[in-house]
Amino acid sequence: QITLKESGPTLVKPTQTLTLTCTFSGFSLTTSGVGVAWIRQPPGKALECLALIYWDDDIRYNPSLKSRLTITKDTSENQVVLTMRNMDPVDTGTYYCASGKYWELQSWGQGTLVTVSS
Amino acid sequence: QSVLTQPPSASGTPGQRVAISCSGSSSNIGSYPVNWYQQLPGTAPKLLIYSNDQRPSGVPDRFSGSKSGTSASLAISGLQPEDEAEYYCAGWDDSLNGVFGGGTKLTVL
Repeated sequence: QITLKESGPTLVKPTQTLTLTCTFSGFSLTTSGVGVAWIRQPPGKALECLALIYWDDDIRYNPSLKSRLTITKDTSENQVVLTMRNMDPVDTGTYYCASGKYWELQSWGQGTLVTVSS
Repeated sequence: QSVLTQPPSASGTPGQRVAISCSGSSSNIGSYPVNWYQQLPGTAPKLLIYSNDQRPSGVPDRFSGSKSGTSASLAISGLQPEDEAEYYCAGWDDSLNGVFGGGTKLTVL
């Protein structure tokens, strides 16, 4: 059974850096084709892909956010970490991590709501 | 503004068939497979269709997907009240990487 869980702060101040951790089980991020993605969803709005990291260390970022994002993986700890710098109130939303083969995200975490406010 | 274009809403009565469209371009839908996700209120998205027309195990065969050129479609036959949800198409884009549609809210009347 595959599970993913997001953890991190629920409230950050504008200009601060957000660090989110995705801890997973039931699969290995060393298996060919497997990747973990971070997806966010502002309240009442659509899904947006932020970043993906694959088994072979290939990394893809949303071009419009690339300068603010860093995604890393720790295969020994079964974790993927996303950092987003210079947070703004428009970054408020639910942040999900999800896994699957390439862009087929079969498994999702429950999501974590991040509010950006002073 | 999403890269993939979906109608904001759709509706149908129980038992009916409804279809949700997803329009893209040659750099995304025209070149790569399309996936569909179902998001029930207050929950995480769930993969409904992958690789244009494949259903993960456990997804009822009432749900089907298709793709032609730069457009894709999700069809739901025998509509049920529990199908009321937001539906998102998703694809890969040469320049933008993973992209989603704006979502379609399906109401079962």
